[in-house]
Amino acid sequence: NAGVMQNPRHLVRRRGQEARLRCSPMKGHSHVYWYRQLPEEGLKFMVYLQKENIIDESGMPKERFSAEFPKEGPSILRIQQVVRGDSAAYFCASFSGGSYNEQFFGPGTRLTVL
Amino acid sequence: KQEVTQIPAALSVPEGENLVLNCSFTDSAIYNLQWFRQDPGKGLTSLLLIQSSQREQTSGRLNASLDKSSGRSTLYIAASQPGDSATYLCAVVTDSWGKLQFGAGTQVVVTP
Repeated sequence: NAGVMQNPRHLVRRRGQEARLRCSPMKGHSHVYWYRQLPEEGLKFMVYLQKENIIDESGMPKERFSAEFPKEGPSILRIQQVVRGDSAAYFCASFSGGSYNEQFFGPGTRLTVL
Repeated sequence: KQEVTQIPAALSVPEGENLVLNCSFTDSAIYNLQWFRQDPGKGLTSLLLIQSSQREQTSGRLNASLDKSSGRSTLYIAASQPGDSATYLCAVVTDSWGKLQFGAGTQVVVTP
């Protein structure tokens, strides 16, 4: 049973380019969270999605960031017109949706903006 | 507003000594608390999850306690080993959507 998968593991972009980060949850999990870990800072919640729905995006920056979790395929976190301050590790976590709510994390995508 | 604090920020112990890691939170209305381990440049590994109705959870050498009324959790690691060197994070869930709110972590070094 494969764990949470994220790709790419490392992503380098120049300022102004777009970054697309992918997350495939564990088999049987239909809930995905995205978190960001800025250098020298703790992990912060960004967005919570269920299949085809954004449930809570209270942690997402208002501009340039968007997320989706289509019926088929991985969840995508998209950052348009990246800036140096977007350089961080982006983690997704999944859980099955039951009451136990234990979240399992992927290995993360480390985004570097030049 | 919920705040999660982990003290100390860093800890170094000789191999074989027991580790005690502390986590405190300001709002006792939590759904659960989860302890994670993070190795440098890697993702998070879930260690233990304690539901709000539970007082403790155990897994092997790890034991985590939860005292909601005082807003504290403690992670005990018995007979530490160099392989236990990592950053340990605690996180609480305070809303029904389940998002985790993390402490800054305790960086642990176990010396041989």
